[in-house]
Amino acid sequence: KNQVEQSPQSLIILEGKNCTLQCNYTVSPFSNLRWYKQDTGRGPVSLTIMTFSENTKSNGRYTATLDADTKQSSLHITASQLSDSASYICVAHYGNNRLAFGKGNQVVVIP
Amino acid sequence: EPEVTQTPSHQVTQMGQEVILRCVPISNHLYFYWYRQILGQKVEFLVSFYNNEISEKSEIFDDQFSVERPDGSNFTLKIRSTKLEDSAMYFCASRAGQGYNEQFFGPGTRLTVL
Repeated sequence: KNQVEQSPQSLIILEGKNCTLQCNYTVSPFSNLRWYKQDTGRGPVSLTIMTFSENTKSNGRYTATLDADTKQSSLHITASQLSDSASYICVAHYGNNRLAFGKGNQVVVIP
Repeated sequence: EPEVTQTPSHQVTQMGQEVILRCVPISNHLYFYWYRQILGQKVEFLVSFYNNEISEKSEIFDDQFSVERPDGSNFTLKIRSTKLEDSAMYFCASRAGQGYNEQFFGPGTRLTVL
């Protein structure tokens, strides 16, 4: 079954601290993997995209990694800001532009 | 920057009523999608639409659902007879064209069925 699992479900971090979010995926045939940020009441917005051959990709303070062998990805947030409070959704693209969504990591950054 | 827009932002309806959710995709995009997200659950694919016809649909997209592109800009999702379990956020997305391209999501419509 094509699915994506994320952990932790939620976390609270202090402003300025770092955190890492985890994603495990099982899709076939795998195309690429994106991390999305979803602010409350908004639609998901893409942060990073990684294909099979890419291990690491950064977008400002966000750094995503991909291990295609173990089918795991992570999203690292550096020096968190209050505006980073959101749900971070791991989405695996597979087949003919199909998307498998994770449930999201709910991040709350506190001052 | 172009974006996908959706109206209304929140729709409240009685069970059994028909609702139409509206989306305006990014103007030069060719592929359109509807997704739903039940509170606390994952985003789920409903349907994809290309060249004025459904290209793929999920098992969720049963006979009570329909989509339409009535003009050159709007893309609608109709639920004929709403059920309590249809309460969810409904997201529209659009994609530019062939090959892999990012799907751009709208802000969503929160549907509440009473």
